[in-house]
Amino acid sequence: GAGVSQSPRYKVAKRGQDVALRCDPISGHVSLFWYQQALGQGPEFLTYFQNEAQLDKSGLPSDRFFAERPEGSVSTLKIQRTQQEDSAVYLCASSLAPGLAGGLGHNEQFFGPGTRLTVL
Amino acid sequence: GENVEQHPSTLSVQEGDSAVIKCTYSDSASNYFPWYKQELGKRPQLIIDIRSNVGEKKDQRIAVTLNKTAKHFSLHITETQPEDSAVYFCAASIGGGGADGLTFGKGTHLIIQP
Repeated sequence: GAGVSQSPRYKVAKRGQDVALRCDPISGHVSLFWYQQALGQGPEFLTYFQNEAQLDKSGLPSDRFFAERPEGSVSTLKIQRTQQEDSAVYLCASSLAPGLAGGLGHNEQFFGPGTRLTVL
Repeated sequence: GENVEQHPSTLSVQEGDSAVIKCTYSDSASNYFPWYKQELGKRPQLIIDIRSNVGEKKDQRIAVTLNKTAKHFSLHITETQPEDSAVYFCAASIGGGGADGLTFGKGTHLIIQP
């Protein structure tokens, strides 16, 4: 089946502009995560959804960042009044279900290709 | 919160030799430790993972070891091949992988010399 998809793949924004980044998780995956990856760094956690509920938004860097998943499937990460320091790759990941013990890969996070955001 | 340190930042080995990448974590509650491979411009892909109730796991040329007491885990790649060249990230989670965000290390750029 299809993996995690993200759109757009590339986005150039002028400083102060609002942007919206979309994530389509693997069908049936309950958990959805957003990460920010700066150049040459590891991904940094932003926020986590279980179905439509946003259970953790501790990684969002400021109140300019907002994420939603209204129907428990597609998610949108919105950045208001973009700043140059927001330039990064934004990665979305999905996982089948939370809280399953025993491994078997059920809790693997599958990543999308990312959206590269450049703020001029 | 969790902090993951990863070393080395760059590792160059001859084709056919072994490569070892090491990570330490700070939160003793962490129970899931995945390793991701990321090629330039591509998405991170899981190559192997280990849970806190296991000390070692192997998958063909790749193995991971975990020392819970020392809060230390390592990735071992044997008989390295050119296609192993990539950036490798270790990560840790307290939620088993599906219930909370992963904390990643800064990555190791593995270069396989022909």
